Amino acid sequence: DQQVKQNSPSLSVQEGRISILNCDYTNSMFDYFLWYKKYPAEGPTFLISISSIKDKNEDGRFTVFLNKSAKHLSLHIVPSQPGDSAVYFCAASAPSGTYKYIFGTGTRLKVLA
Amino acid sequence: EPEVTQTPSHQVTQMGQEVILRCVPISNHLYFYWYRQILGQKVEFLVSFYNNEISEKSEIFDDQFSVERPDGSNFTLKIRSTKLEDSAMYFCASINDRAGNSPLHFGNGTRLTVT
Repeated sequence: DQQVKQNSPSLSVQEGRISILNCDYTNSMFDYFLWYKKYPAEGPTFLISISSIKDKNEDGRFTVFLNKSAKHLSLHIVPSQPGDSAVYFCAASAPSGTYKYIFGTGTRLKVLA
Repeated sequence: EPEVTQTPSHQVTQMGQEVILRCVPISNHLYFYWYRQILGQKVEFLVSFYNNEISEKSEIFDDQFSVERPDGSNFTLKIRSTKLEDSAMYFCASINDRAGNSPLHFGNGTRLTVT
């Protein structure tokens, strides 16, 4: 039951260029979407989120885009830095009252210096 | 910035033994969670806890698992009789509430190795 999918297990980008990470979902009840970054031996760290009433949210170098009709969201990192190298998980939740998140399988981003 | 803390960072146990994983959520948070990540796989929801009771649990969270908030600060996950397939990273998380769409805050995890 893969309600949240990240089809690219890995991505390599040159420093200074744009990184685009993609995520697809199947559950139309999801109303809140998030991106987390994870380094080895650490827990997921919140990066940016977006509510279903918006189609774009920006925070510094990070922008999340939501296309509800396509059930697709993406994370843009501009410019990419070597310190951005990590595994990125998208997550989604539905208004169930428990705020349970469903995570994707993650995309390993490597930013090359 | 306040953070979720988990102990121990690594726990090794023999199959069939009981383990207790400990977490101290952020102090003003009201909702508490356990997630796990088997090596190389996605982060999976186990259980949510609010107002001193389980509010939701996944299929993974069977009778071998239990959670408790024994005092005002700790939140524990107990596995009664560990199996090899319980080997994973276990993450505790907490949230104040969804007002303003605040995100879950995760701890750094406990790596459980069952031999």
